[in-house]
Amino acid sequence: QLQLQESGPGVVKSTETLSLICSVSGGYISNSYNYWTWIRQTPGKGVEWIGDIYHSGTTYYNPTLKSRVTISVDTSKSQNQFSLKVRSVTAADTAVYYCASRSIHWFDPWGQGTLVTVSS
Amino acid sequence: DIQMTQSPSSLSASVGDRVTISCRTNQSVSMNLNWYQQKVGKVPKVMIYSVSTLQSGVPSRFSGSGSGTDFTLTITSLQPEDFASYYCQQSYAFPYTFGQGTKLDIK
Repeated sequence: QLQLQESGPGVVKSTETLSLICSVSGGYISNSYNYWTWIRQTPGKGVEWIGDIYHSGTTYYNPTLKSRVTISVDTSKSQNQFSLKVRSVTAADTAVYYCASRSIHWFDPWGQGTLVTVSS
Repeated sequence: DIQMTQSPSSLSASVGDRVTISCRTNQSVSMNLNWYQQKVGKVPKVMIYSVSTLQSGVPSRFSGSGSGTDFTLTITSLQPEDFASYYCQQSYAFPYTFGQGTKLDIK
């Protein structure tokens, strides 16, 4: 059964880069037909899709974030992970960040989520 | 972007009630509409995908309907474990978007 787990700093300073990793178990990113997704949630803006990556490296980004976001995948022998970087963060980037698997058109499963707070 | 509007934003109901939650989009999403349940402090979980297909393990008291721009999530005979927030999500076009959520609580 596919499981995802986010990891990374819980606090990032304003103007710096937020970096998160999603570790996948129960399946291999490299031989899956799934897309691998980052989503964030805030009380104010609700649930926001950040972007997807396929194991080939093909990415799709939300245009509102595209200029600041990079999603990449690491399928090397010892890794089965994908990552998120958000550059030049502000308080508006404070959110719970989830990684998820996109099977065709819906997100399932999701990781447990990780709260990232942008500090000044 | 495709805009999603859910109504109501909050809803109070009793165990055993039948409730409906509406999701409207500002352009057609065909049948590419999914519903998620999120309990407090928990992860969103897909309940229904492609308008009306129940995810494995989801009780049959949940159902979805609609097409184009108007969609409905119906829960018949509410159970205590159903009190949660519900979100619709379109997967017709990038960027994928979510509704603002409907919080269902106990009356």
